[in-house]
Amino acid sequence: GQNIDQPTEMTATEGAIVQINCTYQTSGFNGLFWYQQHAGEAPTFLSYNVLDGLEEKGRFSSFLSRSKGYSYLLLKELQMKDSASYLCAVRRSGSARQLTFGSGTQLTVLP
Amino acid sequence: GAVVSQHPSWVICKSGTSVKIECRSLDFQATTMFWYRQFPKQSLMLMATSNEGSKATYEQGVEKDKFLINHASLTLSTLTVTSAHPEDSSFYICSARPGDYYSYEQYFGPGTRLTVT
Repeated sequence: GQNIDQPTEMTATEGAIVQINCTYQTSGFNGLFWYQQHAGEAPTFLSYNVLDGLEEKGRFSSFLSRSKGYSYLLLKELQMKDSASYLCAVRRSGSARQLTFGSGTQLTVLP
Repeated sequence: GAVVSQHPSWVICKSGTSVKIECRSLDFQATTMFWYRQFPKQSLMLMATSNEGSKATYEQGVEKDKFLINHASLTLSTLTVTSAHPEDSSFYICSARPGDYYSYEQYFGPGTRLTVT
């Protein structure tokens, strides 16, 4: 089975930096994704990590440690529009490569 | 970029009726599509994996006779909620994965809000 944990809610101030953590326990691992989802909308892809280390993409960075079953999403220079739910998802091994999502972290950016 | 559409975007139906939701990949061929359900303030729960030309694979606890999935072509998968009940009210989201084995992304549709009265 798979178990993915992330904090339920976080609050940060506009212009600040926030780190959203995700820990996972899986029977098979084939990559970790981060998605952003605004209420009532579909998730949008932010990042993908399959090897250990940091992937940087503009204001967003994602880190993975496979040995620790740990990832984080780092958001810099926060903007009000970054208020959303951030979903950590682990891709299963196997031909279909399904995603299992964590419960999501609701981030609120305050002015 | 890869675009996935869903139709309808929202639907209201009466208890006991059936509802069909379509998921289309508009600019790529998707050998695999996925159907998710999301309840308010909860995460996406995978319901089933749909492969073109074969039977869908359902996740544990999902009734295959209630949620009928048909993936008749490389660009279209449908989900039919049969004999809908109020507890089936939810946000249904599909995603599609391109046929390229090395493609790692799933592209999500905009979702369908189902309300059963």
